[in-house]
Amino acid sequence: SYVLTQPPSVSVAPGQTARITCGGNNIGRKSVHWYQQKAGQAPVLVVYDDSDRPSGIPERFSGSNSGNTATLTISRVEAGDEADYYCQVWDSSSDHYVFGSGTKVTVL
Amino acid sequence: QITLKESGPTLVKPTQTLTLTCTFSGFSLNTTGVGVGWIRQPPGKALEWLALIYWDDDKRYSPSLKSRLTITKDTSKNQVVLTMTNMDPVDTATYSCAHLPPPYNSFDYWGQGTLVTVSS
Repeated sequence: SYVLTQPPSVSVAPGQTARITCGGNNIGRKSVHWYQQKAGQAPVLVVYDDSDRPSGIPERFSGSNSGNTATLTISRVEAGDEADYYCQVWDSSSDHYVFGSGTKVTVL
Repeated sequence: QITLKESGPTLVKPTQTLTLTCTFSGFSLNTTGVGVGWIRQPPGKALEWLALIYWDDDKRYSPSLKSRLTITKDTSKNQVVLTMTNMDPVDTATYSCAHLPPPYNSFDYWGQGTLVTVSS
């Protein structure tokens, strides 16, 4: 089955840029979605189809996808961005949905 | 406004069958392309996709849990039901349902989730 690999943690100072990677075999050929999950809350979709933002999501959240790595970039990081972030794809070969292992973003 | 809410037992015993209901509003499972999925999250662990049902009653299951899962829908009640057989303590998790909008393969609205503990 398709596997998505994320770094367990990323630390970033306020105002700086956080980059969260999501690795998968030829992931650049798939549409990648990203979720933010704050402690005790349901996940929130922050980026879909690699780089599109749902209504209400700040422009500070952006995404890219190429080769074997997709990346969620959070610019001008704020304390409120501290959360777990998950990538997700639909694996067309198996027709299954897959989530990444998750990355905890800590704002220093 | 789309909302989803999970309901079901908070405690089940090992070997029992878990039945969870997702009651939703703000969309119809008769609409072409729409789906409702179930995702779980053990305490302190990652999200895990379990199952999904589409508007046309097509169904998909996690390969690792397929033998234990059944997903059904009742469009007249705006509900999706997930059953999981032979529950084990490792199945202790928060179980959530989520809306899959056409034509995308992402989950744009989620329920708050319900914590299910498996213990004798």
